[in-house]
This record gives sequence, structure tokens and C-alpha cells, in this order.
Amino acid sequence: GAGVSQSPSNKVTEKGKDVELRCDPISGHTALYWYRQRLGQGLEFLIYFQGNSAPDKSGLPSDRFSAERTGESVSTLTIQRTQQEDSAVYLCASSPRVRETQYFGPGTRLLVL
Amino acid sequence: GDSVTQMEGPVTLSEEAFLTINCTYTATGYPSLFWYVQYPGEGLQLLLKATKADDKGSNKGFEATYRKETTSFHLEKGSVQVSDSAVYFCALREFSGGGADGLTFGKGTHLIIQP
Repeated sequence: GAGVSQSPSNKVTEKGKDVELRCDPISGHTALYWYRQRLGQGLEFLIYFQGNSAPDKSGLPSDRFSAERTGESVSTLTIQRTQQEDSAVYLCASSPRVRETQYFGPGTRLLVL
Repeated sequence: GDSVTQMEGPVTLSEEAFLTINCTYTATGYPSLFWYVQYPGEGLQLLLKATKADDKGSNKGFEATYRKETTSFHLEKGSVQVSDSAVYFCALREFSGGGADGLTFGKGTHLIIQP
């Protein structure tokens, strides 16, 4: 079946602009995760959603970052007033339930000029 | 907090050589441990995992043993192939009971296998 998909695959934006990144999880997966991978760094956990529970936002780096998920489907990660240090690959993953294997999407490569 | 340290790359080996990629971790509880692999142009894929001490995860000829006494989860393969060229990430997930379920990753090791 289809895997996790993300769009856009690449995004170039100017400093100060807002960007929205999209993730389509595997159908039926109740848990969804966002990670960030900056150049030369490991993946940083940002936020996760489980069903209709309140999301765990413990990894969000600042209040410019927010994420939403509609039910158990699509999620969007929004970065407001982008800064150059936001340049990174943003990865989304989903799993059938919490604490099960996470399946990753191909990522969105964000470049803030 | 939790952390994962893995050897810096790139690691360059000849085909059929023995591979070890070191990974050590710091965690307050009893984490599950993972190796993920990212082949060129592809997304991250789970390679293997171990959920408790002394467990051995294995897949595609790769193995790693969860060593609680040394807080390590080194990845090994007896005979590497050119197709194993990829970036390998060690990761952990700790069950704190509070619901946080994000993985903690190492920085990744770029493996290059030469024919």
C-alpha cells in the first residue's frame, strides 16, 4: 500500500514568510510524528499526535512552530516568520498505534533565504 | 535527557569487509533501541530493533545486540555489499508513561562501500 507522503518535496522561502508543510500518513495509522533534520545533525523530535488526544508539543523549538491534525488523517506543520535557522529537512512518520514501528515519509527540504 | 551517540562518518569499506558502526546511548529508564537506514534518494526505513536488554535485532545480514551494561547497540555485518551504502541512524525510544513517543536519534553515519 501507499506509504507516508509529504508535500512539497522542496520549499524555498524568504526570511519572515510563513510556510506550511503537509503530511499524509499511512491509512489507518493513528499516531503521527514530525521531526526536523538540520544539516549535519540527527533528527530532532518536534511533535506527535495520537488519535484525538492533545498533541505532545514538547519538542517544538519556538512558538513560531505549530501543527494540526484532522482526526487520523492529514497533518500540517506551520512555521511562522521563518528564520534562516529553520532551514532543514522536515520528516513526518506514522505508526499503527503509539509505541509501534514508525514509518517515515521522504521529507520536505526547506530553505530559508 | 536522552541522547544517542554514534561514530562519525563517512565510513569507507571495501566490498565483503566486516562492518561495525558503534552506538551508545544515555537514558533514564529502559528504552527500546533501533537502527534506521536511509538509502540514497529514499526515506528512512527501520532496519532492526531490540526492546529489552540482551535482545538481538537482525535483518538483511545486519545484527545489533542491546547491551545494558555498556549502554550500547553496535551495528554489525559480516560481509558488506555495495548496495549497503547508505546513512545509518541509531535511535532510542523511552517509555516514560507520560505519552511522549518521539524517537531520539544519533547524527547518522554515512557508509560507503567500494567494489
